[in-house]
Order: sequence, then C-alpha cells, then structure tokens
Amino acid sequence: QKEVEQNSGPLSVPEGAIASLNCTYSDRGSQSFFWYRQYSGKSPELIMSIYSNGDKEDGRFTAQLNKASQYVSLLIRDSQPSDSATYLCAAAGGKLIFGQGTELSVKP
Amino acid sequence: NAGVTQNPKFQVLKTGQSMTLQCAQDMNHNSMYWYRQDPGMGLRLIYYSASEGTTDKGEVPNGYNVSRLNKREFSLRLESAAPSQTSVYFCASSDNTGASRGYTFGSGTRLTVV
Repeated sequence: QKEVEQNSGPLSVPEGAIASLNCTYSDRGSQSFFWYRQYSGKSPELIMSIYSNGDKEDGRFTAQLNKASQYVSLLIRDSQPSDSATYLCAAAGGKLIFGQGTELSVKP
Repeated sequence: NAGVTQNPKFQVLKTGQSMTLQCAQDMNHNSMYWYRQDPGMGLRLIYYSASEGTTDKGEVPNGYNVSRLNKREFSLRLESAAPSQTSVYFCASSDNTGASRGYTFGSGTRLTVV
C-alpha cells in the first residue's frame, strides 16, 4: 500500500513566523510531489510542485525534497492569517496519492 | 475559464436512492478522477479514467460505478446510497496519468445520505 503521511495538526503559528509542514512517502518510485492548499469548504488548490532533490522557492513558499529520506516539506515565510488552511501533500508515481492533510492556523 | 465543473453542488439522498454526480472539464485533459474526502481521511480515490473509453478502480470503489462518456465528461453513480457514502466528492483531471503536473479539482459535491 503506497502511503503519504502528514501530521494532522493543527499547527498554530503567530503572524509573521515561518510555518513548516512535513510529509513522508513510502513509494520510492514516486517522481513528482505536490502541495495543495484547501480552505474550509473549498476544493484543493495546487500551490507548489517539486520534482528533484533540493529546494524550490515561489514567493513566500519553499518546497524541499529529499528522495533518499523520502521526505517533502513546505515552508511558508512571513505567515499571514490568510494562510490558515489545510495543506495536502501528494506524491505521484502514477496516480496521485494524498496525505491526510495538515491544518495550519496563523494567529494575528 | 471553467476548468472542472461538478454538479450538483449539494445533495441529500435517502438510503437506497440512486443518483449520478456529473463532472466535465474543458482543458482537453486525458485523465479524470473521482475522490471522496472524509474528515481526517484525506482524499481517497474511488475510480479513475486514464483516457476516453477506459476506467479503473481506485482505493474505495465499492458502491460506486463510473462512466467516461467522452473526453470531457466523467460521471459517478451511486446505485443504492448508504449513510457511509455521506462525504464530499471531488472530480479532478490531469493531462497524463503520470500526474507530472498535478491535478485540477472541481468545486466538489457535498452529499448527505440519511
């Protein structure tokens, strides 16, 4: 059974802090990795993708991938209350396999 | 830019009733998917269609059937609804089954079975 694991949270950070979200995956054949943001009552929205080891930055978001450790992370710098959402990690070796999501709460 | 459109947005069914959830995409994607999302369970794949004319079971197919009507449309049918099928259902599409560019999701159907 291919799995993607995330801490369900909730993760609470103060406004302006760095939020760190983590994810591990079991399928070593996974080639592509994604972070989706899901606001309450809404559909998942793709915010980051990463395909090779290292860091990928896009604005306040940085995705990190370590294939040897089968570990993916998402850093959100200067966290804002509008970042409060559930963040879903997904791994693709064929179809996407999703983690259960981490709820992030950014307190003003 | 509609993307992935799902209908209906909300539905209440009685146990034993049947219904079809509709999904259409206008991005010329080959692959389409049906997921259900329950609290604490993440997104679980029900069925998928890698291309027009093909469908395959996902992780939780029992109690569901699907039809890939054409390249644009992929419907999910509940033949005899059960309370355990109360969930939020998402349709998604991608341009290839390798999912190398991720999926685009519809807005979801919130289904309650009483």
